[in-house]
Formats: sequence, C-alpha cells, structure tokens
Amino acid sequence: GQNIDQPTEMTATEGAIVQINCTYQTSGFNGLFWYQQHAGEAPTFLSYNVLDGLEEKGRFSSFLSRSKGYSYLLLKELQMKDSASYLCATMLDGNRKLIWGLGTSLAVNP
Amino acid sequence: DVKVTQSSRYLVKRTGEKVFLECVQDMDHENMFWYRQDPGLGLRLIYFSYDVKMKEKGDIPEGYSVSREKKERFSLILESASTNQTSMYLCASSQGGLGGNQPQHFGDGTRLSIL
Repeated sequence: GQNIDQPTEMTATEGAIVQINCTYQTSGFNGLFWYQQHAGEAPTFLSYNVLDGLEEKGRFSSFLSRSKGYSYLLLKELQMKDSASYLCATMLDGNRKLIWGLGTSLAVNP
Repeated sequence: DVKVTQSSRYLVKRTGEKVFLECVQDMDHENMFWYRQDPGLGLRLIYFSYDVKMKEKGDIPEGYSVSREKKERFSLILESASTNQTSMYLCASSQGGLGGNQPQHFGDGTRLSIL
C-alpha cells in the first residue's frame, strides 16, 4: 500500500533552524513535493525532489533519499510567518495523483 | 502566476440540496483535482480529470460527481448534500501527463457548511 508519515506537531524558536521529516512507503515513486499551508488558506508549493540529495531555495531546503524512503524540509532563520502546516506528498510513477501526508503543524515562538 | 479561482469562499446549504462548486484555472493545465480537507484527515482526493470530459474517481467519490466540459473549468457536484459533507473543498490544477513532475496549484478553497 501507500503510506506517508510525518510528525503531527513541532515547535521552534524564531531565528532557529528546524527539520521536518517525512518517510514514505509506496509501490512506485516519481518524486516528492513539499507544500506550506497557513491556517485557513490553500497549500502553496515549496519544493520538488526526484533525485537523491539536497535542493536549496533561499531559507528552505529539501532533501531526499530514495533508498531510505525519506525526505526532510529544512527551514533556516525561522520567522513568525513560518508558523504553518507543512505537507509532504509523493507522486507515484505513471500516475497523476499525489499521495499526501497529514501534515506537520509548526509553531514558531518568539 | 498560475491562478486557480473557486467560485465561493464560504457557502451554506441545506441537507438534500444539489450543490455546485466551480473552479477555473487560467494556465491551460491538463489536470484538475477536487479535494476535501478535514481536521485530522488531511487532504483527500474526491475526483480528478486529466482532459476535457475525462474524469477518474479519487479516494472518496461517494456522494459527489464532477463535470469538465471545458479545459479551464472543473465543477464538483454534491448530488444531495448531507451534513457529513460539511468541509473545506479545495480545487487544484497541474500541467502535464502521466507521472509528471509539475506541482499542483490550489485555489483559495470553499468552506461549505451543510445545515
């Protein structure tokens, strides 16, 4: 079957670094997406990884290990506006659909 | 920028009513999706479409139908609304065919309440 796991909640301090993990078990794999969703708003696309390694985009970086079925989203220099839910989703090979995790709710405290 | 527009931000309907939720995208995307999002259950796919007049069931299609008569518009229909269909409904679109690596872009959502 298809399954994605990520922590339900995390807390961090403004200015710090936080790593949000995502593990997946899927029968086929064609990439992993990270989305950010603020309360009451729609998800917005952050990053896409299909090859092993780290992709950096400003304060946000995303890492993928296909052999381990593992990804993480790294947020640096945390700001209060980074308080949001972070959703991990995988694209199955040969499929247009995404398999979604339940999201990690990140609270950034002053 | 991709723009996905949902017809209503908030909607209140009564049980048994037929409800239409409309979604329009302006980027000529092939794929369009309807999700509902509930606390603790995450995003659940209701239906999706990869071409005009084409549709495929998602994970929870019961009680819903869809229509895609034009490429830019994807409608979700609640045939006979029930209280357990009270939820946030999100429309999304994406470029490309099978296994594509293009992200889904979401509308602002419709918070639907069925009384």
